[in-house]
Order: sequence, then structure tokens, then C-alpha cells
Amino acid sequence: DSGVTQTPKHLITATGQRVTLRCSPRSGDLSVYWYQQSLDQGLQFLIQYYNGEERAKGNILERFSAQQFPDLHSELNLSSLELGDSALYFCASSVTSGSHTGELFFGEGSRLTVL
Amino acid sequence: DQQVKQNSPSLSVQEGRISILNCDYTNSMFDYFLWYKKYPAEGPTFLISISSIKDKNEDGRFTVFLNKSAKHLSLHIVPSQPGDSAVYFCAAIGTGYSTLTFGKGTMLLVSP
Repeated sequence: DSGVTQTPKHLITATGQRVTLRCSPRSGDLSVYWYQQSLDQGLQFLIQYYNGEERAKGNILERFSAQQFPDLHSELNLSSLELGDSALYFCASSVTSGSHTGELFFGEGSRLTVL
Repeated sequence: DQQVKQNSPSLSVQEGRISILNCDYTNSMFDYFLWYKKYPAEGPTFLISISSIKDKNEDGRFTVFLNKSAKHLSLHIVPSQPGDSAVYFCAAIGTGYSTLTFGKGTMLLVSP
């Protein structure tokens, strides 16, 4: 158990809809990262928050947005969903704003299926 | 543009033998490299890392080798065990970066 909690574990929805994925980081971790894993793709970095502020942005679509709340949990909002958005979405956390200490702690992921 | 490449999608090895997983990178700013292991229905977990000032780091059955001039690293598992069967992700980060760049992963199957 990494200590990172993601909900929901599975989500099935239709094209055009909007969903929200939630992540609670490990106790004490200030950074939250969102990654997307599509079929045949590695872990694609989407966005990072550190202590409530956006710290880095990756290949995140404009239809997607995220935020980190004062209690440090984070939400990833996906809107106007397309079939290609079907993927595993991972949240990870770390103590610092960077990863040079070595480790990100990943949740079990939220599997999104868009029909 | 894949900055971290794992060119072998899968690898099959017999129990007790050595598993060698390879990773290449293109960004010369990367100076810290990590391997993560992922079991089905679980998130990736950190396995081992290496700084660019070293060429080898060992942790039990796992050893990571780094060849900076070739921009290549490899993960050796000796001896391989069936419980090592998982997807292995190579990741890299550099000074000024705050996030890891991952490869696509290599699925290792260790058969008894």
C-alpha cells in the first residue's frame, strides 16, 4: 500500500461527458502528479501541483484541468470526453516539489472507459 | 518524441537466470534515472535508482548500470524469480525538471 488513494477505481462513461478523478496523497506529501497510461503508451505526465499551486505541465489537453485543495487532495477533471481518453489515470505524490529524492508514490489508478 | 525509450515491449526468462532490461534516453540533461515495477491492477512502485555520477548501483538481486556516453542504462535481475514478472518502467529526470519522464515499459515474464 503506497498510501496514495485514488477514486474511483473504474469509471465507464459516454463521449461528450465530464468526469472527475480524485486523489489523496500520502500523509505529509505536498506534491501531486497526474499521469495517463494509454494502450501501448508509457506513463505520460499530465500535470503537477505542489502545495496547492501548479508546478509543471505536461501533455495535458485543454479539455482537462486539475487542482489541488488546501487539504492537499487533488482532482483531475476531464471534459468533452472522447474515445481516445480511455486510459488508466495515475496519481502520484512526493514530499518535495521535485523527484531527485528518487521516489514517486503511485496510487492504484483510475481506469476510465469512454464508450 | 520519446526521450526515454524501452525498445523491448516484452522479455521472457527462465527462473534462476538473469533478466536484462534495457533503456535508452536522448536528453543529455537527464542526470538521475529510476526503475519502477508495476504489477497488474496496482500502481508502479519504485525499485532502484542511479545518479549520473555513478555507473552502477546494486540492491540485492537488482543492479542498474549506466553508460552515459551511450545514453543507455540497464536493469539486471539475478537470479530471476517468478514473482519478478511485472512491467518495468525506466524513468529519468534532470536538473531543472520537477517531473519524471517514463519509457513505455517492458513486460517481464519469468517462468518456473
